[in-house]
Amino acid sequence: EVQLEESGGGLVQPGGSLRLSCSGSGFSFNDYWMSWVRQAPGKGLEWVANIKYDGTEKNYVDSVKGRFTISRDNAKKSVFLQMNSLRAEDTAVYYCARLESYFRYWGQGILVTVS
Amino acid sequence: DIVMTQSPDSLAVPLGERATINCKSSQSVLYSSRNDNYLAWFQKKSGQPPRLLIYWASTRESGVPDRFSGSGSGTDFTLTISSLQAEDVAVYYCQQYYSSPYTFGQGTKLEIK
Repeated sequence: EVQLEESGGGLVQPGGSLRLSCSGSGFSFNDYWMSWVRQAPGKGLEWVANIKYDGTEKNYVDSVKGRFTISRDNAKKSVFLQMNSLRAEDTAVYYCARLESYFRYWGQGILVTVS
Repeated sequence: DIVMTQSPDSLAVPLGERATINCKSSQSVLYSSRNDNYLAWFQKKSGQPPRLLIYWASTRESGVPDRFSGSGSGTDFTLTISSLQAEDVAVYYCQQYYSSPYTFGQGTKLEIK
C-alpha cells in the first residue's frame, strides 16, 4: 500500500523558516517525481513544487521561487520542502503527492501557520 | 500559465439526480501526438486530502464509483455524477498537468438540494 506522511509543520513568525518532510512507503520511491501542493484556509488547491526522481530537475510556482527549495533523499525515501522568508500568505495545509503525470497518491497534509 | 476556470462555483442537486461540473482551460491540454488530454478531476472533503477521481480527462481511477465520469477534449471538460449520493457532497477541482505550473480550477462546491 502506498503511503505518504508529512511532518515538520507548525507555527512560525513572518520571515521565519520551516522544513517540511514527507516519507514514502509501499512503492519504489526513486522511480517517481514528487510534489508539494498546498491549500490555504478557505481557498483552493495550489501546486507548489516538483522534483524529478533523481533530484536533477526541480520546478516551482512563481510565488515561492527564491524562497522555497524542494529536495529529496532517495535512500531515506523522503522529500523535503525548505521554506524560508515565510509570509502570512504561505499559511496553508501542505500536501506531499506522488506524481505520475497526475497526482494519484497524497499524504494527509500538514498545517503551516505563519503569524 | 494555463488558467483553469470551473463553472458553476457552487451547485445544489437533489439526491439521485445528475450533477454536472464544467472546466475550461485557457489553452488546449491535448497532447495531440498521444491523443491524450492532460486533465484530472479531484474530490476534496474537509479534513481529507484530495482524492483522484478521473485522469486523462475520462479514465476513472480504480475504486471510484461508476456514477462519476469525465468527458471533453482540448479546452472544455465536464465531470458528471449520474446519480448524486449523500457522500458526494464535497468540493470538486479540475487540474491540468500539460505544463508547469500545474494549475487547478477554483473549485466547485457540490451540495444536496
